[in-house]
Amino acid sequence: QVQLVQSGTEVKKPGASVKVSCKASGYTFTTYAMHWVRQAPGQRLEWMGWISAGSGSTKYSQKFQGRVTITRDTSANTAHMELSSLRSEDTAVYYCARDPIGSYYYYMDVWGKGTTVTVSS
Amino acid sequence: EIVLTQSPGTLSLSPGERATLSCRASQSVSSSYLAWYQQKPGQAPSLLIYGASSRATGIPDRFSGSGSGTDFTLTISRLEPEDFAVYYCQQYGSSPLTFGGGTKVEIK
Repeated sequence: QVQLVQSGTEVKKPGASVKVSCKASGYTFTTYAMHWVRQAPGQRLEWMGWISAGSGSTKYSQKFQGRVTITRDTSANTAHMELSSLRSEDTAVYYCARDPIGSYYYYMDVWGKGTTVTVSS
Repeated sequence: EIVLTQSPGTLSLSPGERATLSCRASQSVSSSYLAWYQQKPGQAPSLLIYGASSRATGIPDRFSGSGSGTDFTLTISRLEPEDFAVYYCQQYGSSPLTFGGGTKVEIK
C-alpha cells in the first residue's frame, strides 16, 4: 500500500539546521509530487513548499524562502526537507504529504506520520 | 496570500446529528481549488474532499463538500463516533497554499 515513512524525532539548538527525510513506497515515486507541511503546537497547518519528484522543480512559501531546501533522491524514492537557522518558533511536527498531480502544487492525498522537531537551547 | 477563516471554532454535537462546517476565503479561490482534511489527536491529517466537492478514495458519502468563490462548506450528514475530530480546509488556487484554523467537532 502507499506509504510515506518519515525520519525520527530531532532536537536541535537555535541556529542549527535539520534535515527530515520521507521515504515513499507503494507507488511510482516520480509520477507524483511531495509537499512539506508543518504544525506548531496549537497552530494551524502551514505549507512550506513542494517538489515535483519527476522533474525536481520546487516551489517554496515566501515565508521560508532562503531557509528551506527540498530535494529528492529518485534512486531511493525519498524526499528531504532541510530547514536552516532554526529558532524556537520552528518547534513543530513536520509532515511530508504526496500530491497526486506530479507537475504542479495542489492538495495532499497521502501523509506521513510526521517528524517532531524541537528547537531548544 | 489567501486567508481561510473556519467557523465555528468548535461544534458540539451528538452522534447521528448533522454537522455543517464553514470555510471562508479572503479572496476568491480559483477553480474551486479547495480541499478538506480530517485530523484526529496524535495523527496526521487525512484527505476528505478535493475540488470543493469531490470525495477522496474511500471516503463515505455522509461527507459532502460544496461552495465556490469565497464560501465553502463541509457537511457530515449523520455523525458517526469516528467523525469526532478536527477539520481543516486548504486552498490550492494560489501560492502559498494555505490552511484554515480548523473546526473541532466534539461529542456533546
